[in-house]
Amino acid sequence: DVKVTQSSRYLVKRTGEKVFLECVQDMDHENMFWYRQDPGLGLRLIYFSYDVKMKEKGDIPEGYSVSREKKERFSLILESASTNQTSMYLCASSFRQTYRLRDEQFFGPGTRLTVL
Amino acid sequence: QKEVEQNSGPLSVPEGAIASLNCTYSDRVSQSFFWYRQYSGKSPELIMSIYSNGDKEDGRFTAQLNKASQYVSLLIRDSQPSDSATYLCAVNRDTGNQFYFGTGTSLTVIP
Repeated sequence: DVKVTQSSRYLVKRTGEKVFLECVQDMDHENMFWYRQDPGLGLRLIYFSYDVKMKEKGDIPEGYSVSREKKERFSLILESASTNQTSMYLCASSFRQTYRLRDEQFFGPGTRLTVL
Repeated sequence: QKEVEQNSGPLSVPEGAIASLNCTYSDRVSQSFFWYRQYSGKSPELIMSIYSNGDKEDGRFTAQLNKASQYVSLLIRDSQPSDSATYLCAVNRDTGNQFYFGTGTSLTVIP
């Protein structure tokens, strides 16, 4: 079974803190994604990566950065946390598109981040 | 216009009935289509994928795709209270590997 794990289920941080969220997948997927999910707004893509050291901005990258030093690991960094970054953060992974019919994304359990 | 649109619901059906969930998408080049189920407080779980026009059945679930109408649906037969969740429609366009998600339809199955 595909397994995507995230470093924390719940996290409470203070405004201005630097926050690291980590995601690890064990399926040798090329693609990894970070989303945030808020009521009424659905899933919004923050960043994604299609290879080690590669990253692409999603729809809402402001206030976030990412790091992918190893294929299995994708980190999301909040440089200076703000209250409007309180949200559920979801990591996902998938094979690259060339693996047709195997391009579904698999999600980790999520991290509920609260910024006070 | 949003890439993927779903009725937010809530949709309520009695136990044992058929639940019908609908989704439209805007980009004709879209190639892959998915339905995810998300329980409250949990992450999305893939339940169906469909790539060709027509129906695809898996147990009590049937996904239907009509590329000409840019429409994908999910039917849940013999609905159970455990099917109560939010269902997300997702579309993978042919460029890159970025998914586009609908905002989800909330389904409640009444015992």
